Amino acid sequence: DTGVSQNPRHKITKRGQNVTFRCDPISEHNRLYWYRQTLGQGPEFLTYFQNEAQLEKSRLLSDRFSAERPKGSFSTLEIQRTEQGDSAMYLCASRLDRYTDTQYFGPGTRLTVL
Amino acid sequence: AQRVTQPEKLLSVFKGAPVELKCNYSYSGSPELFWYVQYSRQRLQLLLRHISRESIKGFTADLNKGETSFHLKKPFAQEEDSAMYYCALSKSNQGGKLIFGQGTELSVKP
Repeated sequence: DTGVSQNPRHKITKRGQNVTFRCDPISEHNRLYWYRQTLGQGPEFLTYFQNEAQLEKSRLLSDRFSAERPKGSFSTLEIQRTEQGDSAMYLCASRLDRYTDTQYFGPGTRLTVL
Repeated sequence: AQRVTQPEKLLSVFKGAPVELKCNYSYSGSPELFWYVQYSRQRLQLLLRHISRESIKGFTADLNKGETSFHLKKPFAQEEDSAMYYCALSKSNQGGKLIFGQGTELSVKP
């Protein structure tokens, strides 16, 4: 297990297209988080899962965004009808269920919307 | 609303000089505070957390609830400390999500 992985690492798309990102957390980590990071800013929370249940969604997550974690393992983040403002780094993190456990981050997927 | 503020976007020091990266937070309860670091071309990783009260790579951070601050300090900076540093807070009753500051880029010159 080499840590949290994300695919693709880079995605360039045209405005209006749909995109989907995948996150594979560390095995046995039952909590999975998605964050978005724009240039010059820190990561901003989008949503998180405990196993397959999506427990919280940020107001940043508009109706065009949807996230799933169907079997409590990998997760996907889909953006429909992309806009230029969606251009950002999308980060995934995972951790065990204990509050004291550390969140481990993936390398991120950089989205560019033309 | 919970907020984390890092007032300096860039901090530049010479090797061997002391370093202090500032972090202030606003939260009415008792959050957990963290410092995350991102070295060039690497992923974000935890540097230290206030409940651990430990020193990592020579860095320490003390939680000051009165001043709502969690400044990161190192007495003698090294060139390999050059990186982006993010302060973050988390609340146990909010699923552990992290709220990050804007980040401070530390540049240590030879």
